[in-house]
Amino acid sequence: GAGVSQSPRYKVAKRGQDVALRCDPISGHVSLFWYQQALGQGPEFLTYFQNEAQLDKSGLPSDRFFAERPEGSVSTLKIQRTQQEDSAVYLCASSFHRRVHVGYTFGSGTRLTVV
Amino acid sequence: AQKVTQAQTEISVVEKEDVTLDCVYETRDTTYYLFWYKQPPSGELVFLIRRNSFDEQNEISGRYSWNFQKSTSSFNFTITASQVVDSAVYFCALSEASGGANSKLTFGKGITLSVRP
Repeated sequence: GAGVSQSPRYKVAKRGQDVALRCDPISGHVSLFWYQQALGQGPEFLTYFQNEAQLDKSGLPSDRFFAERPEGSVSTLKIQRTQQEDSAVYLCASSFHRRVHVGYTFGSGTRLTVV
Repeated sequence: AQKVTQAQTEISVVEKEDVTLDCVYETRDTTYYLFWYKQPPSGELVFLIRRNSFDEQNEISGRYSWNFQKSTSSFNFTITASQVVDSAVYFCALSEASGGANSKLTFGKGITLSVRP
């Protein structure tokens, strides 16, 4: 596709429910990042993939958060037993480069609201 | 640890005014990259510029200009003759080269710019 696509655009979950957020990066992009953006804050790093390998998951806030990219393209961020503090916009970004200091392309995000 | 500070939270200007958005960063790396991103109401982050730590030349792109000063660890962004379409949240971000292929970004909290007609 022309850009990074994320779905759903909005998600409302009841506390305790599991959710899955999808990211379709630009075709051929090697690097993929997930960020969490709380209301009024800057995005914060969650995890990084290079192809199918998850090379850094140091930003995942708890073991309820899990991300995968099994075929090196589409990625899914899963949150188990959602809590109110998980409410945020989840942004996905991808880049063709392994060294992404050129800057990456972000999707429009999934806004998760936990009620 | 790396850190980005955007002390201004909200700025409101009248169209055609010039406006400068401040960014101060902290890092122990000698090689690093600085970025500015724009986030319009639609939510996606739009890449504006990247500078590396060895290039202190100021840059101008149309109405946008950037002033990078290593001596003060600042990377400020100026919009000349602002327009209503410039209204957005602007983020400054830092990436350290020591991260290798994992060039995760550390963002500031963002500055909300409102340009009134």
